[in-house]
Amino acid sequence: AQSVTQLDSHVSVSEGTPVLLRCNYSSSYSPSLFWYVQHPNKGLQLLLKYTSAATLVKGINGFEAEFKKSETSFHLTKPSAHMSDAAEYFCVVSDRGSNKLTFGGGTRVLVKP
Amino acid sequence: ETGVTQTPRHLVMGMTNKKSLKCEQHLGHNAMYWYKQSAKKPLELMFVYSLEERVENNSVPSRFSPECPNSSHLFLHLHTLQPEDSALYLCASSQAVAGGPQANVLTFGAGSRLTVL
Repeated sequence: AQSVTQLDSHVSVSEGTPVLLRCNYSSSYSPSLFWYVQHPNKGLQLLLKYTSAATLVKGINGFEAEFKKSETSFHLTKPSAHMSDAAEYFCVVSDRGSNKLTFGGGTRVLVKP
Repeated sequence: ETGVTQTPRHLVMGMTNKKSLKCEQHLGHNAMYWYKQSAKKPLELMFVYSLEERVENNSVPSRFSPECPNSSHLFLHLHTLQPEDSALYLCASSQAVAGGPQANVLTFGAGSRLTVL
């Protein structure tokens, strides 16, 4: 069985400050992990994915995430927030080789000028 | 555009109406999906098609009827819906359903916002 918990439903940051979105997962097997972003009135867009290569994964728009097996975490970070980062972010887990994706509840990011 | 196009973008229907949502992908993918996104709930997988065959049906009420005539097109036929079916319906595609490095990497459409009165 697999599950994913996004620890914050809302995060508010000031433009130019770091962003941290927290995600913890549980998985019976070696997981694949993803972060997706959804801007208002848009579909979800893949930010980055982890599939057993390097534990620090770099994605688009300056985001990165680190896979920490001992902590069962896959937190998403960005050193400096931009106004265009205001969106909802979803952490997703899948048991490798499975077609089942489990989505977290989402974290809505507000960026203040 | 992401390569996955959904129409209509907005739909309002009564509980006795019959309507359809359409999804088209231009990515050469072999798998297509319907998801339901409701406020304050995680994304719910409804149906999965691989090479035009349904491979997953997640206990979805029969008032939702999917159709996949070919690997590029996916429909969701709607009839006698309930107000609680109001949601954003997202279509997605992937190269494959399982196996391979691109499996489970989904490309989403912008969604069809459905309101049931």
